[in-house]
Amino acid sequence: AIRMTQSPSSFSASTGDRVTITCRASQGISSYLAWYQQKPGKAPKLLIYAASTLQSGVPSRFSGSGSGTDFTLTISCLQSEDFATYYCQQYYSYPITFGQGTRLEIK
Amino acid sequence: EVQLVESGGGLVQPGGSLRLSCAASGFTFSSYWMSWVRQAPGKGLEWVANIKQDGSEKYYVDSVKGRFTISRDNAKNSLYLQMNSLRAEDTAVYYCASHQSDYFDYWGQGTLVTVSS
Repeated sequence: AIRMTQSPSSFSASTGDRVTITCRASQGISSYLAWYQQKPGKAPKLLIYAASTLQSGVPSRFSGSGSGTDFTLTISCLQSEDFATYYCQQYYSYPITFGQGTRLEIK
Repeated sequence: EVQLVESGGGLVQPGGSLRLSCAASGFTFSSYWMSWVRQAPGKGLEWVANIKQDGSEKYYVDSVKGRFTISRDNAKNSLYLQMNSLRAEDTAVYYCASHQSDYFDYWGQGTLVTVSS
């Protein structure tokens, strides 16, 4: 199975900050990568797929990049509603696997 | 509006069985792959199984192979997960999710399965 490793596992930031979360795959996955946002007690929400394509309705302050093994999710100007846990997910091969999550907290 | 509503969760003893259901509406169910994804309390997401639009292909994570069976009824716009030989480590919120490629466009609200004596 392809292992997905996110960094950091958690960190604190302030509204208005620019933040970047990294996801590394244990082997090349081309651009078969998605990002999700999850808030406590809620289902995950798709933000980005194909590494850099923004899902319809997702604010443009979210962006994704990368291919192969290294990927990033960037939030250009943090808003209060962005404090949540973020997961990456590879869909290059079965089993589909997720990163362990990055918890973004208010500083 | 797309809606996915899971049901069937609850408390079950180790070794027991449970059948989860997911009722879909607001989209053409028969045109989408469907998956089950679970999340143990305080933990991350784990994909469990998926099924092709016509049910002809099914895939499972190794930890549930031989114990869980995914199925669907396109006439009823419904997805199912039959879970047998349940273990404590199967305790989780189980989400159903729709997809055309293997990333998950829409998710239900989840149903909690607790395996405990």
